[in-house]
Amino acid sequence: DAGVIQSPRHEVTEMGQEVTLRCKPISGHDYLFWYRQTMMRGLELLIYFNNNVPIDDSGMPEDRFSAKMPNASFSTLKIQPSEPRDSAVYFCASSLVAGWGNTEAFFGQGTRLTVV
Amino acid sequence: GESVGLHLPTLSVQEGDNSIINCAYSNSASDYFIWYKQESGKGPQFIIDIRSNMDKRQGQRVTVLLNKTVKHLSLQIAATQPGDSAVYFCAETRHNAGNMLTFGGGTRLMVKP
Repeated sequence: DAGVIQSPRHEVTEMGQEVTLRCKPISGHDYLFWYRQTMMRGLELLIYFNNNVPIDDSGMPEDRFSAKMPNASFSTLKIQPSEPRDSAVYFCASSLVAGWGNTEAFFGQGTRLTVV
Repeated sequence: GESVGLHLPTLSVQEGDNSIINCAYSNSASDYFIWYKQESGKGPQFIIDIRSNMDKRQGQRVTVLLNKTVKHLSLQIAATQPGDSAVYFCAETRHNAGNMLTFGGGTRLMVKP
């Protein structure tokens, strides 16, 4: 398995534009997470899905952020409109079903977003 | 991934020495803990985990110690190598609370040759 695959690796966009980040989780994993990493706040959980259903989106900062998981092999995180303070590295991670020893999350390489 | 920057505590060790990285967790209900390593330009990578019914677990060159009384976790790296230079995060969760991990702020390990 190639691991969690994110695209694009880098995104530079102008303030006000829509940004879509993509993620392909590891096949067979039931959980998918979106994290944001910044210098000031570290790694923050934005939202996570279980079996394609959003379970907890309390970390989504504003209504400008939305996430979808239309099927088990694909998820998107969308920011519309984007703002400079959204600049960060966004990570997608996936893991197996909940339970002892299965909670390890595998992370993708991240998407570095710069909003100018 | 970005290195998490200027405000990270930093541990600087000589190559070949042992390293100890500490983490204080916040939720007394957490019962599963994981250490992650993040190298520059990459996502966090699993190192080792431990359940709350254990106080020590060993892997290859790494040992995790858990003290539930004071809610403290440590990662020991034996014979530290230049390739160990990275940011290290501890993460906590409850095994019956979905798989949601809460990450600590991270510690930067720098290995001097």
